[in-house]
Amino acid sequence: AQKVTQAQTEISVVEKEDVTLDCVYETRDTTYYLFWYKQPPSGELVFLIRRNSFDEQNEISGRYSWNFQKSTSSFNFTITASQVVDSAVYFCALSEAGNNDMRFGAGTRLTVKP
Amino acid sequence: GAVVSQHPSRVICKSGTSVKIECRSLDFQATTMFWYRQFPKQSLMLMATSNEGSKATYEQGVEKDKFLINHASLTLSTLTVTSAHPEDSSFYICSARGGTTYHNEQFFGPGTRLTVL
Repeated sequence: AQKVTQAQTEISVVEKEDVTLDCVYETRDTTYYLFWYKQPPSGELVFLIRRNSFDEQNEISGRYSWNFQKSTSSFNFTITASQVVDSAVYFCALSEAGNNDMRFGAGTRLTVKP
Repeated sequence: GAVVSQHPSRVICKSGTSVKIECRSLDFQATTMFWYRQFPKQSLMLMATSNEGSKATYEQGVEKDKFLINHASLTLSTLTVTSAHPEDSSFYICSARGGTTYHNEQFFGPGTRLTVL
C-alpha cells in the first residue's frame, strides 16, 4: 500500500529565510506520481507540481524547487526567500499508476513571520 | 486548465437532516470522481471513488449508507450526508479525473465546509 510521510508538523520561519519541507513515500509500484499542494486558510487546494517516477530531474519554478531522490524515496520541497504569503499548509501526495486514488501526507503547516 | 466546482461552499444544518453536495467538472468529462474529507488540522482522507454509471467504491470505515454518492453523468457527482450529526462536520473536497487530454490527472474542487449543529 502506498504511504506518504511528512514528519514536520509545523515550521515557523522569518521572512526571507529559505525553508525545506520534507516528504518521504512508500510504494511497491515502479510507476507512480508525486505531488505537492498548497492549502491556504481558504481551504482550496492549490496544485504546485506533479512528478512521475521516471523523471528524477529536479525542478525549479521561481522561488520554489523540488528535489526528487528515488534512492531515499524522498520528494522534498524548498521555498527560497520565503514570504508571508507562503504561509499555508503544504501537502505531499502519491498516486500509483495502478490505482485510482491519491494518498496525502499529514501536511506541514508553514508560518512565515514578517 | 480543467476546472472543478463544488456547491455549496458552506452549509450549516441541524442534526438529523440530510445535506447534498455537488461536484461538477466544468470543462471536461470525468468518468471518475473522488470524495475526500478533511477534519480540522488534519490531512485529506479519501472517502470513496465514484465511477460514472456504477456504484461508488468506499474506503474502509466509511459508511456507504450514510454517505450516499451518485455519479449520474460525466460531469456531476453528488455526495449526500444522510442524517447528519455534529461529528460529520468537516471539510469535504471532491476531485475529478481528467481523461487522456489531461494525462489522467486529478483536479480538485474548492471544497464544502459542513457544520452540523
